[in-house]
Amino acid sequence: EVQLVQSGAEVKKPGESLNISCKGSGFQFTNYWIAWVRQLPGKGLEWMGIIFPGNSDTRYSPSFRGQVTFSADKSIDTAYLQWNSLKASDTAIYYCARRDDGGGWFDPWGQGTLVTVSS
Amino acid sequence: EIVLTQSPDFQSVTPKQKVTITCRASQSVGSALHWYQQKPDQSPKLLIKYASQSFSGVPSRFSGSGSGTDYTLTINSLEAEDAATYYCHQTGSLPYTFGQGTKLEIK
Repeated sequence: EVQLVQSGAEVKKPGESLNISCKGSGFQFTNYWIAWVRQLPGKGLEWMGIIFPGNSDTRYSPSFRGQVTFSADKSIDTAYLQWNSLKASDTAIYYCARRDDGGGWFDPWGQGTLVTVSS
Repeated sequence: EIVLTQSPDFQSVTPKQKVTITCRASQSVGSALHWYQQKPDQSPKLLIKYASQSFSGVPSRFSGSGSGTDYTLTINSLEAEDAATYYCHQTGSLPYTFGQGTKLEIK
């Protein structure tokens, strides 16, 4: 079964750093782009960017460039989303999703990671 | 950046009704337009890829059409389980973008 499994919920304080993960299974992880999508509480989906784990090539949405960092460890089929200094406004659910190599649609999606930033 | 505008934002509908959701792009996305369904507390799920191609396992009551800048998701004979928020999504050019979502409430 093709699936993406994300790390568990996190509660952090403003200014702290954080890495959340997205582990792929059932497919050749290094051959697909992995996208990150943010969903603020009660709001819609926002595309953050994508990473190609095969060579760590990345594309960031202008809205998120410089705010987060994507990385990948192809030896363990895992992609990461990193913050160096969290803000309260980073409180959201973060999804990873596999981009189809033919048409660009996203499937499957991870189950989401809830990140709560509060003092 | 391509802006996707969906209409309506919200619709309250009865079972067996036919529903149409539209998605207008600020410039052509060349049919690289996809539709997702998100139910409360769940991840989004792909319904329609490339404007009109049904994704595997999706009920036949869901269909898509359109080209260029204007796209439509149609749900024929709505069922109670279709209560969800629906998003269009373009991968025609970077940065990829999503529409703001259309929430369907079942009366």
